Amino acid sequence: EVKLVESGGRLVQPGGSLRLSCAASGFTFSDHYMDWVRQAPGKGLEWVGRSRNKANSYITEYAASVKGRFTISREDSTTSLYLEMNSLKTEDTAVYFCAREGAAAGDFGYWGQGTLVTVSS
Amino acid sequence: YVLTQSSSVSVAPGKTARITCGGDNIGNKNVHWYQQKPGQAPVLVIFFDTDRPSGIPERFSGSNSGNTATLTISRVEAGDEADYYCQVWGSSSDHWVFGGGTRLTVL
Repeated sequence: EVKLVESGGRLVQPGGSLRLSCAASGFTFSDHYMDWVRQAPGKGLEWVGRSRNKANSYITEYAASVKGRFTISREDSTTSLYLEMNSLKTEDTAVYFCAREGAAAGDFGYWGQGTLVTVSS
Repeated sequence: YVLTQSSSVSVAPGKTARITCGGDNIGNKNVHWYQQKPGQAPVLVIFFDTDRPSGIPERFSGSNSGNTATLTISRVEAGDEADYYCQVWGSSSDHWVFGGGTRLTVL
């Protein structure tokens, strides 16, 4: 059974930093692209970025709204995905989901339950 | 790349709901659809325009042509009430794009 479990969300002040984790199990983690998606309170889904798989050199790609502030990394040996967030702004307040991209279609067939990040003074 | 969805659709139980997703030449892209109920993670309901993941009822179907992709839900049930999002790869910008979401209300 595929399972994704996010952790690390909490209240943080503007300008602060935070690291989110996503623990994956039930599939060959190294084969898949892995993504972060966020959802601000009462708003829609927003793609944050992704890490390609080992075969594609772990290349990372980011949405314009977070590029230069957020960094995605992964550790295939522990089947974990990370999101390092710096220079946080109030508009980064959201539930952050990790998701697995399907190898063929690129769809997000599996999602975690999400972790809430609140940026506020 | 921008995806445009109507904010809400209402339908009576047993009727057919059509949720559209507009984008420039979206017919040339692969569209995925997600259902999200309050407080839950999104669930994939259609991928590659028309394919259903295992466990998704046949009542859910998709189409994609020209500038519009459509998610059709036949014989709507109360349990289908949710937000629905379309998604494509915005190849010119190298990122995934979600539509703004459509809230389906079952009357």
